[in-house]
Amino acid sequence: DVKVTQSSRYLVKRTGEKVFLECVQDMDHENMFWYRQDPGLGLRLIYFSYDVKMKEKGDIPEGYSVSREKKERFSLILESASTNQTSMYLCAVTGGAFSGANVLTFGAGSRLTVL
Amino acid sequence: GQNIDQPTEMTATEGAIVQINCTYQTSGFNGLFWYQQHAGEAPTFLSYNVLDGLEEKGRFSSFLSRSKGYSYLLLKELQMKDSASYLCAVRAGDYKLSFGAGTTVTVRA
Repeated sequence: DVKVTQSSRYLVKRTGEKVFLECVQDMDHENMFWYRQDPGLGLRLIYFSYDVKMKEKGDIPEGYSVSREKKERFSLILESASTNQTSMYLCAVTGGAFSGANVLTFGAGSRLTVL
Repeated sequence: GQNIDQPTEMTATEGAIVQINCTYQTSGFNGLFWYQQHAGEAPTFLSYNVLDGLEEKGRFSSFLSRSKGYSYLLLKELQMKDSASYLCAVRAGDYKLSFGAGTTVTVRA
């Protein structure tokens, strides 16, 4: 099965700072996703990518951008962090044992606090 | 887009059965997933339904009725380790998976 690694488990940033969240997979899967998770709202899709240099907006792309220069790496960028972007960010990849169902495999998450 | 509803919280006793309902409204339905998420951890895949009917996997079963926009996850012989959030997710098209807010299940001794 694919292993999904998010570089930072906990980050604290100040309003206006630029923030990079990195996600790396150890296989050759095409589809990668960024979600944020907030209490009472569940997981909401920010962006996804189905190939290198390809990206699609999810449900809440405002205030975010992404980069997919290599197949194994999908980065989420907050150009100017704001307090309402304090959240848990989860990267996910589809593929693996249940690839026919496009099952998502998640990274451990990055908890971002913006002060 | 999708509108996915599931109860916020449920409590049950060890050894009992709990049924978590999920209703959805979507265009281009292409599968329904259930994920389990323990506190502080990432969600992990539990089950997948794309056709009507019941899928059984050990103590967990999932049911789907596409005409009713309805699914449930059945947890039998509850154990303390089953205390977690259970997320219902609906796929529309090839890629996009949308999640409900999750149901927190508390198992009491």
